[in-house]
Amino acid sequence: KAGVTQTPRYLIKTRGQQVTLSCSPISGHRSVSWYQQTPGQGLQFLFEYFSETQRNKGNFPGRFSGRQFSNSRSEMNVSTLELGDSALYLCASAQGDRETQYFGPGTRLLVL
Amino acid sequence: DAKTTQPNSMESNEEEPVHLPCNHSTISGTDYIHWYRQLPSQGPEYVIHGLTSNVNNRMASLAIAEDRKSSTLILHRATLRDAAVYYCILRDHRGNNNDMRFGAGTRLTVKP
Repeated sequence: KAGVTQTPRYLIKTRGQQVTLSCSPISGHRSVSWYQQTPGQGLQFLFEYFSETQRNKGNFPGRFSGRQFSNSRSEMNVSTLELGDSALYLCASAQGDRETQYFGPGTRLLVL
Repeated sequence: DAKTTQPNSMESNEEEPVHLPCNHSTISGTDYIHWYRQLPSQGPEYVIHGLTSNVNNRMASLAIAEDRKSSTLILHRATLRDAAVYYCILRDHRGNNNDMRFGAGTRLTVKP
């Protein structure tokens, strides 16, 4: 089976712009979670989608949003980018509840 | 969420066993102990998990204290490819969610 894929792998944006990141989960996996990783804060949970519904959300401002499509692919969007949004954004998929999570390689976002 | 405490860093020699400790004194009865690791420039990957009994798989062993307030991940023969940040995470297996709360983890250095 193919692993979790994330596109793009690298991205450079400027402050105030918006960005959309994409995640394709492992085939058959219905849960997609998003995480932000920075040197200062480490790995932080953003949100989780399960069968197209957001089930859980971390402590991030409303500028961070996401969605999941019927084929389980997910996108996350960050609007009005700030310098502090520069990070590695990781996506993880799982087959069902409380199952092992499989992470993608991440999208590295740099905000200038 | 129950919190875990791990040493910031550890060193090991190649082909020697490594014992990575984790303290979780506020663990609840429904918390499973999960270990993930993150190799350089990659997303985290699942290593092992357990509830009460010690567990073994092809990657590692997990030793859980009788009172469950601590656990140890054991790599039986460290290789250079085991150099990574190791995360000990508690996951409550009640409810419908897949979010994981990562701590700072232990950075393992393996010396040849």
